[in-house]
Amino acid sequence: GAVVSQHPSWVICKSGTSVKIECRSLDFQATTMFWYRQFPKQSLMLMATSNEGSKATYEQGVEKDKFLINHASLTLSTLTVTSAHPEDSSFYICSGGGVGLAKNIQYFGAGTRLSVL
Amino acid sequence: GQSLEQPSEVTAVEGAIVQINCTYQTSGFYGLSWYQQHDGGAPTFLSYNALDGLEETGRFSSFLSRSDSYGYLLLQELQMKDSASYFCAVRDRTGGFKTIFGAGTRLFVKA
Repeated sequence: GAVVSQHPSWVICKSGTSVKIECRSLDFQATTMFWYRQFPKQSLMLMATSNEGSKATYEQGVEKDKFLINHASLTLSTLTVTSAHPEDSSFYICSGGGVGLAKNIQYFGAGTRLSVL
Repeated sequence: GQSLEQPSEVTAVEGAIVQINCTYQTSGFYGLSWYQQHDGGAPTFLSYNALDGLEETGRFSSFLSRSDSYGYLLLQELQMKDSASYFCAVRDRTGGFKTIFGAGTRLFVKA
């Protein structure tokens, strides 16, 4: 299957700082990527849909100024958590939409565990 | 909006068969997927159904009934390594074909 690389895998930061998470599609071009947030033992909650060359589409209740998404190329989408606070601590996962015959499959990055002190 | 329901926990023994059900409500249904996630890891794709019927992939099978808004994942010959969370997810054409996940079913496989 396709490969999605996500970095960093673990981040610890102080409250008030910003954290950038990168998501790269290594062997396919992703015009669309998705960002999810997951709390322990809970489901993946879709935060936003990242579209190459245009603005991201945010789900209801997700602050677009808090979670900045940039999708500048067909292989890279970034999520920046601005002015992070302890309540932003969570597991963030990106996924790339499938292509071709695998168009209905989502390929996930390994996730980023964010801990805000 | 969209909603999915699946059991929160299932326990079974090695070698057994287990079925995880999923019911969904969505206005723009396109397909139903199943993903496996081990603790601390990323979800991995298991199967996808767009049409009614059964899809078989090795020990895993998935079923869909669009008229009943219902599907299930069937795991056969259970192994200890199958202990994980299993998520059903609908692919919804509204808002650009996004994938919405259910709450997940934690499967515990006992020896």
